[in-house]
Parts: sequence; structure tokens; C-alpha cells
Amino acid sequence: GAVVSQHPSRVICKSGTSVKIECRSLDFQATTMFWYRQFPKQSLMLMATSNEGSKATYEQGVEKDKFLINHASLTLSTLTVTSAHPEDSSFYICSVRRGYEQYFGPGTRLTVT
Amino acid sequence: AQSVAQPEDQVNVAEGNPLTVKCTYSVSGNPYLFWYVQYPNRGLQFLLKYITGDNLVKGSYGFEAEFNKSQTSFHLKKPSALVSDSALYFCAVRPMEYGNKLVFGAGTILRVKS
Repeated sequence: GAVVSQHPSRVICKSGTSVKIECRSLDFQATTMFWYRQFPKQSLMLMATSNEGSKATYEQGVEKDKFLINHASLTLSTLTVTSAHPEDSSFYICSVRRGYEQYFGPGTRLTVT
Repeated sequence: AQSVAQPEDQVNVAEGNPLTVKCTYSVSGNPYLFWYVQYPNRGLQFLLKYITGDNLVKGSYGFEAEFNKSQTSFHLKKPSALVSDSALYFCAVRPMEYGNKLVFGAGTILRVKS
């Protein structure tokens, strides 16, 4: 398998501030990482595909300037929620693909007050 | 359009009884099929997958799933449920023609009562 970590696990921030979430692939060099968003009692929605050394590919309807993704190395991708608002409060999960399988991080709970 | 349906929002079963969590899909071509489990405030854990070969696949924690191509289904099963199996279960497919992106079902809450 693959071990994926996220930091922080929980973050509370004030409206208008920016928050950075880290996703690390601990035992596997991932050229591609995926960022998902999950609302309570709902399924995962793919936000973007993070590519090492190049620009991320965003899904339709996801604001590129609001959700900044940087995949600077084969083991680290970051998601920065800029100028966060209460409606950005959600559970953010990253994922890496290894072979046929996809492995998920433990998630980050973002609460914007 | 590619889609995954989990028709039951919630499945209730008594401990020790068999359980089934249903999943059907609509994709073009031959998809890869997956089941994941999610515990509260946690990420998804991989349970099992179907890529090719035997239609009955066995996975983690005693779970298995049967791929039925004619019915486009991939139901998750376990012969004897445990209270600790209570969680949120997601079926997912990765269509061959959709840029290799996972498409998730809406999820099914499994509640196992002692």
C-alpha cells in the first residue's frame, strides 16, 4: 500500500485568513496527488489533481485562485485555502495513486469562523 | 456520464448476520471497481478492488464483493457482521475513459447492532 499523512488534522481560522494543508506520501514517490472535499454525510468531490513540478488540474467549478495547490516534491503537496470564508468549512482529504489502488490521507477538518 | 449508485443511505444489520451493501455503476468500457470504508473524522481506507479475473474478490476484514457485469453491480458482502464494521462505505469506479479519475458513490452508512 501507501501511507499518506496530512497536517494539520484540524484547523480553525478566522474569515479572511489563509490556511495551508500539507499532504505527504510517506513511503512512495507520488508524481500525482489528488485533493478531495467532503461535506458532512456526503461523498467525496474531487477538487484538483496535483502534478509534481507542474500546475495542478482543477475540476470544473473549483476556483483556482482560492484553492492554491503546490506539488513541489514527489512526497509533498500543499493545498492553501486563501481568504477563507465559512462556506469553505469542510473536510479536505488528499490521496495518492499507486498502481491500481488509491490511498487516502486521514483528512483535515477546516472550520472557518 | 459516469455514475455510481449506492441505493441505500443506511443499512442496519444485527451482529453475526450477513450484510450486503449495494453498488451499481454506469460507465463505458471496463471499469476498475473499489470499495472503501470511512470511520468518523477519518480518511478512507481501502477494502478491496476488482480489476479483472474472478468475479468474487476478497478484501480486508473479511469483506468480499462480487462483480456482476450483466447487472453492472459490485455489491459488498460479509458473512457475519461485527459491531466494529459500523462505518460509512463508499463504492468507487475508475472508468477507463474518464481520465483515470475515481468516481464515488454517495456512500452507505452501515450500522451493526449487538
